[in-house]
Amino acid sequence: GENVEQHPSTLSVQEGDSAVIKCTYSDSASNYFPWYKQELGKRPQLIIDIRSNVGEKKDQRIAVTLNKTAKHFSLHITETQPEDSAVYFCAAPTPINTGFQKLVFGTGTRLLVSP
Amino acid sequence: DAGVIQSPRHEVTEMGQEVTLRCKPISGHDYLFWYRQTMMRGLELLIYFNNNVPIDDSGMPEDRFSAKMPNASFSTLKIQPSEPRDSAVYFCASSLPGQRSEAFFGQGTRLTVV
Repeated sequence: GENVEQHPSTLSVQEGDSAVIKCTYSDSASNYFPWYKQELGKRPQLIIDIRSNVGEKKDQRIAVTLNKTAKHFSLHITETQPEDSAVYFCAAPTPINTGFQKLVFGTGTRLLVSP
Repeated sequence: DAGVIQSPRHEVTEMGQEVTLRCKPISGHDYLFWYRQTMMRGLELLIYFNNNVPIDDSGMPEDRFSAKMPNASFSTLKIQPSEPRDSAVYFCASSLPGQRSEAFFGQGTRLTVV
């Protein structure tokens, strides 16, 4: 099965700085890598995802990069703002014989952006 | 659509009591997932259903945990008897078919077993 490791567990930055969160996965058959953001006391919500046929995807201040050879992917947040403070989870799927992939989540990164 | 709806939002119960958590997925979503979130273990997948059928329950921690999905619009997660170490936030999520479908989470149920 899939094993997803996420680093760092906590990250503190000043407003305006960049933040990078990294994840590694073990199953080379995985082909979909989403990132979820969970604000305090709220539900996880998808913020960006990447398919295995591309190396990078951007959406305004957030971007995700994928290195399939090394089996790692990263979330990049530029020009961080206090409202970016949250816990971020990466995920990778475990392919199963039904054709559906169940998501395995990383342990989360608590990002704190100080004004 | 109101999204995935879970009830109750908070549950406090005494050790040994039965606890039932409820979930209504988004209409049209064929997949339903139950996750448990704790500080120590993060987000753990307990069980998931496809078209009301349990597909993988390998994440269910013990026989004290059981889940059902009697129809496409309702699922329950039951713990009997409950123990203090079951205290966590339990999330239900649903998604459309497809290997790369977004999982939509409910608001979660915060369970405290004293």
